[in-house]
Amino acid sequence: AQSVTQLDSQVPVFEEAPVELRCNYSSSVSVYLFWYVQYPNQGLQLLLKYLSGSTLVKGINGFEAEFNKSQTSFHLRKPSVHISDTAEYFCAVSGSARQLTFGSGTQLTVLP
Amino acid sequence: DTEVTQTPKHLVMGMTNKKSLKCEQHMGHRAMYWYKQKAKKPPELMFVYSYEKLSINESVPSRFSPECPNSSLLNLHLHALQPEDSALYLCASSQEDGGSWGTDTQYFGPGTRLTVL
Repeated sequence: AQSVTQLDSQVPVFEEAPVELRCNYSSSVSVYLFWYVQYPNQGLQLLLKYLSGSTLVKGINGFEAEFNKSQTSFHLRKPSVHISDTAEYFCAVSGSARQLTFGSGTQLTVLP
Repeated sequence: DTEVTQTPKHLVMGMTNKKSLKCEQHMGHRAMYWYKQKAKKPPELMFVYSYEKLSINESVPSRFSPECPNSSLLNLHLHALQPEDSALYLCASSQEDGGSWGTDTQYFGPGTRLTVL
């Protein structure tokens, strides 16, 4: 079985400040980790993914995430956020099954 | 082209109506998915089709009936829905090239906002 915990349901941050959205996972098998973003009234868009190799993964829109196996974490970071980054962010894990297991989501609100 | 399209964008239906949601992709993907998403919640998997055959049904009520007429098209037929079925219905697709299943990226459509009166 696999599960994902997003520790913060809401993260407010001022424009141009750094942000970290936290994600912890549990799985009994090898995991593959994803971050998706959902803008209001839209579908989900892939930000980045970790499959293997380098633990620091760079994605679109200046986001990056670090896979930490010992802490079972995959936190998402951006050094300087913009108003346009306001959205819901979902961490997800998949294993040998075809299913994506999503976390409960983190609403990032960027304040002017 | 990494686009998954869904029609209609919005749908309002009564509890006795029959309607269908449509999803299309032209990326050559062989796996297609239906998800249901309630407000402020993550998507919940409903069905998975692999090579046009139903491979996963997450115990979805029979008032939801999926159909995969060909490798590019996925439908969700709706009948006798309840108000609690109101939600955003998302379609997704992934490559399914015979490699490790867990590594496939799922590409999502914009969703159909369904309201059941």
